[in-house]
Order: sequence, then C-alpha cells, then structure tokens
Amino acid sequence: DAGITQSPRHKVTETGTPVTLRCHQTENHRYMYWYRQDPGHGLRLIHYSYGVKDTDKGEVSDGYSVSRSKTEDFLLTLESATSSQTSVYFCAISPISSSYNSPLHFGNGTRLTVT
Amino acid sequence: KNEVEQSPQNLTAQEGEFITINCSYSVGISALHWLQQHPGGGIVSLFMLSSGKKKHGRLIATINIQEKHSSLHITASHPRDSAVYICAVPTANFGNEKLTFGTGTRLTIIP
Repeated sequence: DAGITQSPRHKVTETGTPVTLRCHQTENHRYMYWYRQDPGHGLRLIHYSYGVKDTDKGEVSDGYSVSRSKTEDFLLTLESATSSQTSVYFCAISPISSSYNSPLHFGNGTRLTVT
Repeated sequence: KNEVEQSPQNLTAQEGEFITINCSYSVGISALHWLQQHPGGGIVSLFMLSSGKKKHGRLIATINIQEKHSSLHITASHPRDSAVYICAVPTANFGNEKLTFGTGTRLTIIP
C-alpha cells in the first residue's frame, strides 16, 4: 500500500473556527489532491498540488486554502468552518498527472463535523 | 466537464453470481479509473484503462472508447466484494487533476 496518512481521522469543531487537515506521504509523489465526499455526489476536488509551493484550485475550492511547503505534506485549511463543510475529506497522491499510467492512491479519509 | 453516470446505483446478488457494473461518460477520454471503496471508507484504485480489457484476479474491466462506456465485471462474487465501486474520468486533455467521479454503485453480496 502507498504510504499516505491523513490526520486527524475524525474531527468535530464549531462553526467559525479554523481547522487544518494534514496529508502526509512517504512515496515522494509529485501530485497531491484534496477531495471531499458527500452523499449524492461523487468525490469532488477541492485543491491540488503539482509540486512544492505549487497549488491550484479544484471545483469546490471556496472556503478552503492549502499549503505545500515540503514534498511529503499537503495541508488543507478551513479558515472559518461552516456546517456546509461537514464532509469526509480524502487526500490522494499520484506520481504524475496523466491518467493514462498514473494511479491514484488514497488516504483513509478524515470525517469532519462542523456544529 | 465530463459527465459520468454509473448503473445500477445499488446491486444485491448472491455469492457466486457474475456481477456487471456500468459507467458511461459524455466526453472522449484518454483513460478511465475504477476504484473500490470499502465499507470502512478506504478507497483503493482497481484499474486504469484506456482501451480493451484488463483483468486482475476475479475482476475484469473493459472499455469501449467509441461508445464512451466501461464495465466492471466480477466473476464468482464473494461477500468480501461488497463495497462501493466508483468510476472516474478526466476532462478532455487533462489528467488526474480534472477527474469527474461517478456517484458509485453499492454492491452487496449475500452469502
């Protein structure tokens, strides 16, 4: 299994508080992704990174920011959590971007509840 | 954006049955992913394919690029195959950074 760890696994927080989720990989993969998974929706990309300090927005990026200061760590921050951000968050990694020969490896997910 | 539809949404079958899960998409692609999400929530990549067929154990994935359709087959199904199966396709000319995921097919295999 690819070495990818998400922390925390579960988090309950109050509306308006900042929250940071961490994704750590030991595979030295270039690409890292943050997704959210909600009932009735497929996985949706929040942000992704294509290298240290190189990030870009996904389709549901509003209210989220990311940082990647080291190859192995990709942080997702909710600046001021809202109830609509209650979700399960997945981190994924891939060595290159191309779908042709680059599988995705997923972390185990973080269940975030905003009360 | 590529639109992705999976069918059926839910599937219950007896152990040993042959299973087929379908994925259709709207825009031509370079490759397609099949993923498995376990009841505990973890997601595993099963296949990436851009043409023809791939086989891994009891799992077979096929794709028809012209018809914009892929199928995932499970032979001799077993209760441990119970999971949600998800297909994902990229937006044209993009890779993993522009994937559209289906909402998944929930498979339950009864002993």
